[in-house]
Amino acid sequence: SQQGEEDPQALSIQEGENATMNCSYKTSINNLQWYRQNSGRGLVHLILIRSNEREKHSGRLRVTLDTSKKSSSLLITASRAADTASYFCATDGAGNTGKLIFGQGTTLQVKP
Amino acid sequence: DTEVTQTPKHLVMGMTNKKSLKCEQHMGHRAMYWYKQKAKKPPELMFVYSYEKLSINESVPSRFSPECPNSSLLNLHLHALQPEDSALYLCASSRTDRLRNTIYFGEGSWLTVV
Repeated sequence: SQQGEEDPQALSIQEGENATMNCSYKTSINNLQWYRQNSGRGLVHLILIRSNEREKHSGRLRVTLDTSKKSSSLLITASRAADTASYFCATDGAGNTGKLIFGQGTTLQVKP
Repeated sequence: DTEVTQTPKHLVMGMTNKKSLKCEQHMGHRAMYWYKQKAKKPPELMFVYSYEKLSINESVPSRFSPECPNSSLLNLHLHALQPEDSALYLCASSRTDRLRNTIYFGEGSWLTVV
């Protein structure tokens, strides 16, 4: 079963704009990870944020985590056409058993 | 760039065939995973190996048989598959199966069952 719900399911923006994707989950977690997947390719790890962290940055990426609301957001600033991909959040469900549960994903299209 | 290598990238097999998917990592990771991903869906966990031992089997049908010959290799043996098994099969690894560690994915093997 999938724990995460992502919003929006699809997002289309112009190059240079910011893109925000949201992820909600149901159970307690130890950490939350964000991944990018280009069409037909494998998943590329973007950021891991731990349950005791509220915000994390990596280059043009900013991730926030609100454990009280069981939600996370991924912000991509100054988007580029190369950012076009599907983005997934994934949680560990607090079991810490090696089971990563993915959200449904957000498909981002960045128009040049 | 991913350091998890999967072969073959594409595989077409008949329902009576026996084939294998292979995965290799040289990052010294002791946890390895198989995920299945259908089109426009998120990846779904199939198996987890921790220190070369199977630790999680997500009720996967026996026509999928995982094998971990050593800490760097993970195989998925396929036999008598069905057309609905056609999907992208993703291998992943992490330092351990404690999920405070980042999980790294390979590029996947596209499987078509005819």
